[in-house]
Amino acid sequence: KNQVEQSPQSLIILEGKNCTLQCNYTVSPFSNLRWYKQDTGRGPVSLTIMTFSENTKSNGRYTATLDADTKQSSLHITASQLSDSASYICVVSAKSGGYQKVTFGTGTKLQVIP
Amino acid sequence: EAQVTQNPRYLITVTGKKLTVTCSQNMNHEYMSWYRQDPGLGLRQIYYSMNVEVTDKGDVPEGYKVSRKEKRNFPLILESPSPNQTSLYFCASSLGTGGSGNTIYFGEGSWLTVV
Repeated sequence: KNQVEQSPQSLIILEGKNCTLQCNYTVSPFSNLRWYKQDTGRGPVSLTIMTFSENTKSNGRYTATLDADTKQSSLHITASQLSDSASYICVVSAKSGGYQKVTFGTGTKLQVIP
Repeated sequence: EAQVTQNPRYLITVTGKKLTVTCSQNMNHEYMSWYRQDPGLGLRQIYYSMNVEVTDKGDVPEGYKVSRKEKRNFPLILESPSPNQTSLYFCASSLGTGGSGNTIYFGEGSWLTVV
């Protein structure tokens, strides 16, 4: 069964500090991995997309890494801002014939405090 | 502006009263899907559609119906809602089915409470 596990479940950091969120997956055959940001009560918004051959992708202060051998990904947030407070969801796609099956992690809830 | 629009955003209904949550996208996407999000659980797919008149069950389809008569619209129908369908629902669309070049766009969500 395809699974995506994220850690920690929640995290509180001071504004200006860096943090790293983790994602482990058992999705096969792997197609791509995405990180989404979801503000409370809003729809998820895409941050990064990585395929098997990519091991890092940046989007401003967000940097995602992928180790396809160990099936792990991380999202690093640099110089956090109050607006970074949100849930961060790891999403992994698996190839399934002509269709790509998408599995969502349960998310890491990040709170940035002044 | 690329948009996925859901309505209603908030709804309280009673058990057994049929309701429809509408979803419309303006990006000419072929692929649309519905998810529900519950505390402690990841987004779970209810139904998806790969094109007009092509729909299929996701992971949690029981108690739901969908239709795809036009490319832009993908309504979610609860024929006889029950309290365990109280949840936050998201409609999503993408150009393809989740391949590397296909960003998944989500609507703003519909909070549904069944009493």
